[in-house]
Parts: sequence; C-alpha cells; structure tokens
Amino acid sequence: QQPVQSPQAVILREGEDAVINCSSSKALYSVHWYRQKHGEAPVFLMILLKGGEQKGHDKISASFNEKKQQSSLYLTASQLSYSGTYFCGTVSGYSTLTFGKGTMLLVSP
Amino acid sequence: DADVTQTPRNRITKTGKRIMLECSQTKGHDRMYWYRQDPGLGLQLIYYSFDVKDINKGEISDGYSVSRQAQAKFSLSLESAIPNQTALYFCATSDRDRGRDTGELFFGEGSRLTVL
Repeated sequence: QQPVQSPQAVILREGEDAVINCSSSKALYSVHWYRQKHGEAPVFLMILLKGGEQKGHDKISASFNEKKQQSSLYLTASQLSYSGTYFCGTVSGYSTLTFGKGTMLLVSP
Repeated sequence: DADVTQTPRNRITKTGKRIMLECSQTKGHDRMYWYRQDPGLGLQLIYYSFDVKDINKGEISDGYSVSRQAQAKFSLSLESAIPNQTALYFCATSDRDRGRDTGELFFGEGSRLTVL
C-alpha cells in the first residue's frame, strides 16, 4: 500500500526551512527518501531503519517514528539545489519498496 | 559511462506493437527492478528480480512481462502496447546483503515511451 506524503507541494525562499511528511497504514521496517530533479532519475538521500534512527545528508535530515508509522524529512536553510520532487518509500513485512506520490519542492532566490 | 544503462531512452510506437525496454548494469548487484512513473503518481513497481532465477510481480504487472537474461541484464516487454502505457520507465538495481530491506536503489536514466 502506497505511503501518503504531505504536503503535495512546497514553495520556499532560499534559506527557509521545510518539512515533508510520510505516513503509512502498515507497520514499517524502513523508510527511504529520494530526490528527483526535473528530467533526471531519482537519487537516494537516506534510509531510516526500524529503531527510530535519525539520519543526515548535508543540511537534510530525517526521523522515523515506527510507532506512528511516520517519517519526516527536514530541509534546513534550503538552497536552490534542493528544488525537485521528494519521494518517500516504505518497506513493510517482506515487501519491496513502495513509493509515495511525491512532494514537489521549489526553492526560489 | 552510467552504471545502470537503459535502452532506448525514447520510443514512440503504435497501439498493438510489441516493445522491449532493456536494462544493463555494471554495479554487480543481484537485485533489479522496473518502475513506471506517471505525473503525480510517483514510482510504481512493475516487476523485480532478486537473482537470475527469481522473478516477481510488482504492483502493476498486468500488460508487462520481464526477462532476466543474466545477472547484469533485465528486460521489460510490452506484448501489445496500449496508450495508457505511455509513461517514463526506470530500471533500478540494489545490493543483495540488506536483509529485509531493499537497500539503496540505483536508477537508470529512464526510458520515455509514448504509445499512439
């Protein structure tokens, strides 16, 4: 079952912060985050495994609340290069990765 | 050269034609995947393969078939293409030793298919 992402779109000015949420109705083993720039393939950002780990990638970090079956991606002091569509993907049980519909992020100067 | 290569990158075809999209990888990964991307729908899994003899259906396998010719090659076929199969198709690979987790996916550059 596809995880639900919110918001669907975010518009920021350079330097502002953003949070993208991902939730599932299933118990999760792991949550993945990817970013896709227009016309390009998705690129891996991070994996969060069951156990509440927080991971970081430059000024992008994420949390995973396994009890609530939710993950949040935090973009701090956004840069123009952060623009793109962010996808969360979830693994539950012995399933493969299932992606959400994506959150479009636009960072303007 | 890209680690995951898809051919063709763009293809326009007509309804009813058979189409094959090919994927090859030099990463040495056992696991390979085919995803379909439509605007606003995210990435949907069509088929995946954990090794040469292991092929599994994904969320949207109807109308598609696959062949894992070797560890490095995984092809997606549309036996009789229809217009609603117009989409961007991605091949991806991942490493084996991730237990229950898929591990990081490495995507090809995508194959844009248009069915008229």
